[in-house]
Amino acid sequence: NAGVTQTPKFQVLKTGQSMTLQCAQDMNHNSMYWYRQDPGMGLRLIYYSASEGTTDKGEVPNGYNVSRLNKREFSLRLESAAPSQTSVYFCASRGTRDTQYFGPGTRLTVL
Amino acid sequence: GQQLNQSPQSMFIQEGEDVSMNCTSSSIFNTWLWYKQDPGEGPVLLIALYKAGELTSNGRLTAQFGITRKDSFLNISASIPSDVGIYFCAGTNAGGTSYGKLTFGQGTILTVHP
Repeated sequence: NAGVTQTPKFQVLKTGQSMTLQCAQDMNHNSMYWYRQDPGMGLRLIYYSASEGTTDKGEVPNGYNVSRLNKREFSLRLESAAPSQTSVYFCASRGTRDTQYFGPGTRLTVL
Repeated sequence: GQQLNQSPQSMFIQEGEDVSMNCTSSSIFNTWLWYKQDPGEGPVLLIALYKAGELTSNGRLTAQFGITRKDSFLNISASIPSDVGIYFCAGTNAGGTSYGKLTFGQGTILTVHP
C-alpha cells in the first residue's frame, strides 16, 4: 500500500515547454486534489476531482489543466510553462471525514 | 474567499520546551486539521478535529477546536529535535458543495535547538 505517489520528483523546464505531472493513489478514494506550495503562502488548490469523471477549478487554476484518467490517477498539465509556475506541486486524495493524504511532491523549476 | 491566519510564522526553541501555535479564520469551519511537513516531503496528518471545543491528543501533541469555530490551536510538549518542520492548519466545511476542499494556513516553521 503505497498511498499517494507522484512522478517526477524533480523537473526543470524552459519557459514555453509543456509537461504533465502524474499522480496515483491506491486507497480507493473518490476525490483527488492538486496543490501548489510557495514560500510563506501555504498550500493553494489548483484543481480538484470530486469523483471519477469530474474535475473543477480551485483557487489558482490559470495556466493548468487536469485529467482524471480513472479512479486511481489524476494528472496535472502545464501547456506552456512560465517562471511564475516554479513551485512545489502536491497531489492529495480524500479519505474519511475530510482528511487528505498527500504525495511526496514534485519540485518544478521554470527557467 | 476564506483565509486562514496562522501564527507565529516561525519559532526557534530549545529542546524540551513547549510550543504553541494557532490559526484564525475569517469564517466558520466545521472541521480543523493539523499537518506536519518534513523537509522535502509532503504534509502528514497529525490531528483532526470535528466539534467546537474538542480537545484531541496524539502523543506529545494536543490540538483544540475553538469555541467560536473560527480558530484552532496546536501545542507540542517537551519538544525534541525531530519536531523540526513546518506545521500547517487547514479548515473545511464538510458536506454540500465543499467536496472536501481544504483552506490552509501559511504554516509555522519550527526549529528546535538541541
